[in-house]
Amino acid sequence: GEDVEQSLFLSVREGDSSVINCTYTDSSSTYLYWYKQEPGAGLQLLTYIFSNMDMKQDQRLTVLLNKKDKHLSLRIADTQTGDSAIYFCAETNIHGGATNKLIFGTGTLLAVQP
Amino acid sequence: DARVTQTPRDKVTEMGQEVTMRCQPILGHNTVFWYRQTMMQGLELLAYFRNRAPLDDSGMPKDRFSAEMPDATLATLKIQPSEPRDSAVYFCASGFDGVGQYFGPGTRLTVL
Repeated sequence: GEDVEQSLFLSVREGDSSVINCTYTDSSSTYLYWYKQEPGAGLQLLTYIFSNMDMKQDQRLTVLLNKKDKHLSLRIADTQTGDSAIYFCAETNIHGGATNKLIFGTGTLLAVQP
Repeated sequence: DARVTQTPRDKVTEMGQEVTMRCQPILGHNTVFWYRQTMMQGLELLAYFRNRAPLDDSGMPKDRFSAEMPDATLATLKIQPSEPRDSAVYFCASGFDGVGQYFGPGTRLTVL
C-alpha cells in the first residue's frame, strides 16, 4: 500500500534555513501537501504542490518535488521560533476529481533554538 | 474566515459511557473526514464521507464506533461503550472536490 516517510526530528537555529524531507511510494500521487501542527492545535494546511510541478514558492516556504525519486522537501527560510511545530507530509491520488483520502507521514518535529 | 468547528474541545468520561463528538464542516465542502491522533499510532483515518454518504470506514472499530452525517452541516462520531484505549485527540477535516483538507481544532477525549 501507499507509504509516506519522514525523519522524526530536526533542530535548527533561529535565522537559519530548515529543510524537512519526505519520501512516498505511490507513483500516481497527484497532490502532495505540507501541514503544520502546533501544540494543542489541529493540522494547518501550509502549502501543496501538484505532481506536474517541480517547485512552488510561497513567501518563506519553498516546496521541491523530485517525482523520479518520489522525494518531497519543505524549505523554510529565516526560520523563527514560531515555526517550531510538527510538520506532516501527505499525499493523495485524486480519481475523477473527488477529494480522496490523504496518506500522512509520521511527522517531523522542528525545534528552533533561539 | 471559514473554519471547521468541533465540539466538545475536551471530554473526560468513564469507561462504558457513550461519547458523541460533533463537527461542523466548512460551508460548501462536500467531503468530511474523521481522524484519531495518539502518540503511539500517530494520525489514523477512521472514516470519511462525500456528499454525506460514507465512502470508507475501514479504519474504525465497527463494534463500538459509528459515524454519521445527519445533514450537510453536521458530522458526528459516537463511541459506545467507550474504553480507556479510545483516549486520543479526534480531528474532523473537510474538503471540496479539489485540493486539501482543512482540519478542526480537535476533541481531546480521556476515558478513565
